Amino acid sequence: VVMTQSPLSLPVTLGQSASISCRSSQGLIHRDGNTYLSWFQLRPGQSPRRLIYKVSNRGSGVPDRFSGSGSGTDFTLKISRVEAEDVGVYYCVQVIHWPRTFGQGTKVEIK
Amino acid sequence: EVQLVQSGEGLVQPGGSLRLSCGASGFTFSAYDMHWVRHIPGKGLEYVSQISTSGGETYYADSVKGRFTISRDNSKNTLYLQMDSLRTEDMGVYYCVRDNWGYDYWGQGILVTVSS
Repeated sequence: VVMTQSPLSLPVTLGQSASISCRSSQGLIHRDGNTYLSWFQLRPGQSPRRLIYKVSNRGSGVPDRFSGSGSGTDFTLKISRVEAEDVGVYYCVQVIHWPRTFGQGTKVEIK
Repeated sequence: EVQLVQSGEGLVQPGGSLRLSCGASGFTFSAYDMHWVRHIPGKGLEYVSQISTSGGETYYADSVKGRFTISRDNSKNTLYLQMDSLRTEDMGVYYCVRDNWGYDYWGQGILVTVSS
């Protein structure tokens, strides 16, 4: 399953919002009814941090500025009120089909 | 608190071997499938391998199949990745990851450098 993110680079003004798109080449709905699409943040020198799981559920300790949405094959991560600490690379990943596949990553930077 | 602590960082020559370890604590290790994921500079995050709770089922990305071996010792709460015939394209940061219908907890990452 190919995961395609856009844009690959996203300059953002502090305090403004940012959106990242992730499109899968196949549907990600499990027979249990859940859609297993997650979003991760990778900051330099740190391990990936799970932001969102099952499309729209925020991970532990994740600020409510981060939100996920979507269905079928189209998904979006939105960062409201971007802060300096949000700089990094963001990845979507599908965990339904083998092998698990990540998007190419979207680099978020401050203008 | 869930913790995954990795060890085994190293510099190896092409064709060489390296063994990574990942010690787990703060959860019932034997109840979770475990994965290895790597971050290759310029390529992003990439699935490497996974192992079932008992260790009886293992899977590998095509790029490492036949060269890497994943294993676990549930009595020691430890996950391993034996990497043989290393190539320059294997160079990157390797993470052990707990699988909970998605990757929830990650190790700190281990840098693997393959260079002559």
